[in-house]
Amino acid sequence: DADVTQTPRNRITKTGKRIMLECSQTKGHDRMYWYRQDPGLGLQLIYYSFDVKDINKGEISDGYSVSRQAQAKFSLSLESAIPNQTALYFCATSETSGGNTGELFFGEGSRLTVL
Amino acid sequence: GQQVMQIPQYQHVQEGEDFTTYCNSSTTLSNIQWYKQRPGGHPVFLIQLVKSGEVKKQKRLTFQFGEAKKNSSLHITATQTTDVGTYFCAGRGAQKLVFGQGTRLTINP
Repeated sequence: DADVTQTPRNRITKTGKRIMLECSQTKGHDRMYWYRQDPGLGLQLIYYSFDVKDINKGEISDGYSVSRQAQAKFSLSLESAIPNQTALYFCATSETSGGNTGELFFGEGSRLTVL
Repeated sequence: GQQVMQIPQYQHVQEGEDFTTYCNSSTTLSNIQWYKQRPGGHPVFLIQLVKSGEVKKQKRLTFQFGEAKKNSSLHITATQTTDVGTYFCAGRGAQKLVFGQGTRLTINP
């Protein structure tokens, strides 16, 4: 089983619908992240959380919200989806090491299409 | 804000040829990480460089961190079909890890 699990893996929805992408991890890491990947743009950070009570905006947080329900769970919501949010979304985790983030462990990705 | 530029965006080579991707940051980095994403897959960590001028090797892959800690490169010697994928650098500045746009490597067998 994957250490970082994302659901759903694929989703097609319509403009204006509310969508939640869920992420759970068994690595015991404190830090969790949501990234968006678009062709030619690399990985852009949406939100990150360093522990259950800590939520921080990333580079492209507008139109998104997150919830850290537990150390192992971090969900991403699109309150009212729009077509330019069509992308591949990745959840990732990392350990805390001397204040610096170590390597990121990514989930398999959630491909979202907004029509 | 901090920007990380990666070139080239695409590279197509014949199997057996060498490949290099370059990463440049607008600010001095505390460290830089490299990831590989196979087609249809997720990014997987390859290595982290921390010291100025550091060079690390993993079999046919050579990673370098510039003396000024603002640039890095990944060189693959004698590419194989298993090297196909997108290679990302990710530079850590003051606080955040910022990814480059990635270099997509395709190989003609």
